[in-house]
Amino acid sequence: GENVEQHPSTLSVQEGDSAVIKCTYSDSASNYFPWYKQELGKRPQLIIDIRSNVGEKKDQRIAVTLNKTAKHFSLHITETQPEDSAVYFCAASIGQAGTALIFGKGTTLSVSS
Amino acid sequence: DVKVTQSSRYLVKRTGEKVFLECVQDMDHENMFWYRQDPGLGLRLIYFSYDVKMKEKGDIPEGYSVSREKKERFSLILESASTNQTSMYLCASSLRPDNYGYTFGSGTRLTVV
Repeated sequence: GENVEQHPSTLSVQEGDSAVIKCTYSDSASNYFPWYKQELGKRPQLIIDIRSNVGEKKDQRIAVTLNKTAKHFSLHITETQPEDSAVYFCAASIGQAGTALIFGKGTTLSVSS
Repeated sequence: DVKVTQSSRYLVKRTGEKVFLECVQDMDHENMFWYRQDPGLGLRLIYFSYDVKMKEKGDIPEGYSVSREKKERFSLILESASTNQTSMYLCASSLRPDNYGYTFGSGTRLTVV
């Protein structure tokens, strides 16, 4: 079946550094790529998303880039803060009309002060 | 402000029992989803539904079934619970997954003994 690969599985950075998480997807029909943040014991929350007709999107300290030809998309967090520590999941739409999302395995980001 | 509600936060069941996990959303969303979340495996799609009485298999439907009799309610059924179904189960709903992403429930931690 279709899949999404996510790297790295763990990432440790110092406060103020940048963090980059990368994903690749297999379904060439995928047209929507959201990112979710899950803090310990909480539900995943959408933090940013991008559609296939856009190459880059930015929201304050977070940005997402998409290379549809290579089937790659990435999350960039600048000026990291301890509250950015969480598990981050990338996802890609699959199925008819993008009916469902398939997720990567997650990246545990630790930001130390 | 809770919009997707899962009936139980923690559940302990015995091997062989029939288990029902309930999910209710109050946002009038057409699409509803069941995922299981396991450490290191991310979120894996079990079943989803894009309309009342409609259902589609996800990546790991074996051992599960679903029911959607009303638009707001999507039930996950473990026909005969087994220990390898011990997991965190997340329900989600969406207006259009390829535009607005998901709203997740808070999850049900199921332990099968």
